[in-house]
Amino acid sequence: GESVGLHLPTLSVQEGDNSIINCAYSNSASDYFIWYKQESGKGPQFIIDIRSNMDKRQGQRVTVLLNKTVKHLSLQIAATQPGDSAVYFCAENNDMRFGAGTRLTVKP
Amino acid sequence: EAGVVQSPRYKIIEKKQPVAFWCNPISGHNTLYWYRQNLGQGPELLIRYENEEAVDDSQLPKDRFSAERLKGVDSTLKIQPAELGDSAVYLCASSSGGAQETQYFGPGTRLLVL
Repeated sequence: GESVGLHLPTLSVQEGDNSIINCAYSNSASDYFIWYKQESGKGPQFIIDIRSNMDKRQGQRVTVLLNKTVKHLSLQIAATQPGDSAVYFCAENNDMRFGAGTRLTVKP
Repeated sequence: EAGVVQSPRYKIIEKKQPVAFWCNPISGHNTLYWYRQNLGQGPELLIRYENEEAVDDSQLPKDRFSAERLKGVDSTLKIQPAELGDSAVYLCASSSGGAQETQYFGPGTRLLVL
């Protein structure tokens, strides 16, 4: 069936480095994608979104890239900080599907 | 502006007991979602409301789960009777309109069924 999934369950980076979190999707009809950050004991928090008519979108320290050809999107976090430690989910909003998440750990 | 409010934050019950969760969405948000999040997994949609109408309840286990949003604002999600496998975090989210708008999540209700 259709699914949204993440390549790696965990990612550990050094403070100040850039982080890249990947996500694959299989529903070719998906046209809106969102990245969420979830800290322990809290609900998911919106980070950035992208619509399928775009390849790239930038926010503050975050960039999302969308490759529709291979059905892949990524979240890039520049100058990763300890406060970025959390689980990151990609989601597509047509079927309201979330991936399993990637746990990002930032080492000081 | 207040975010999505959920209560209770934590609930411990014995199996076969009923339980209810309450959600107050962001003011003006017409779309309300209930999700279930198991440990180590992403949220799974249970039901989506547009105003007071349930427009997607295909993933709601209707034998024991029910939800309502009578006046198109607050919503309750009920489980009766609860089973051990229902232990999870139940998240409520709202958006200003439709599936293509950003969802804002509440803190969730952590349910433990013993």
